[in-house]
Amino acid sequence: EVQLVESGGGLVQPGRSLKLSCAASGFTFSDYNMAWVRQAPTKGLEWVASISYGGSNTHYGDSVKGRFTISRDNAKSTLYLQMDSLRSEDTATYYCARHRSSYLDYFDYWGQGVMVTVSS
Amino acid sequence: IQLTQSPSLLSASVGDRVTLSCKGSQNINNYLAWYQQKLGEAPKLLIYNTNSLQTGIPSRFSGSGSGTDYTLTISSLQPEDVATYFCYQYNNGLTFGSGTKLEIK
Repeated sequence: EVQLVESGGGLVQPGRSLKLSCAASGFTFSDYNMAWVRQAPTKGLEWVASISYGGSNTHYGDSVKGRFTISRDNAKSTLYLQMDSLRSEDTATYYCARHRSSYLDYFDYWGQGVMVTVSS
Repeated sequence: IQLTQSPSLLSASVGDRVTLSCKGSQNINNYLAWYQQKLGEAPKLLIYNTNSLQTGIPSRFSGSGSGTDYTLTISSLQPEDVATYFCYQYNNGLTFGSGTKLEIK
């Protein structure tokens, strides 16, 4: 069974940093492209970033480009999201998601999400 | 590509045939998926590549469309279908629609 379990969320002040993790199991992690998607409270979904299966390619949404960094450790089957210079508008539930096959295609499995609140 | 979903709120009766719409600002070339999100849960993939049903999803869900206009149809609405439905395009960038909230009348 595919499982994606996010961790690392919490309350952080504006301008500070936070690093999210997503532990994957039930599939060969190194075979899949991965992503982060977020959802602000009572709002819709927003793609944040994607990374290729080997980690050599990354892409970011315009709202986080230059502030967030996606990375992965295939030996640990773990995906990461380093979030710097956080803003109040980054407050959201962050989901780890697996791309089905091609890089930057649809997501077939999602984690349960982790909440990040940016507030002073 | 921007996606516009309509209606934003839909109320229907159990057993009704329900149609949700998603319109792109440009040609999506059938690279469109639909997700169901129940309250407090993560999104679940229903349909990909416009009309391919994800494994394990009931056959009452179907997708259609081409170009800029796409549709998710529920042939016979069930109580467990209460959720918000998002369309998602992966033809040019990755974007989600704003969602249609589906309620039981």
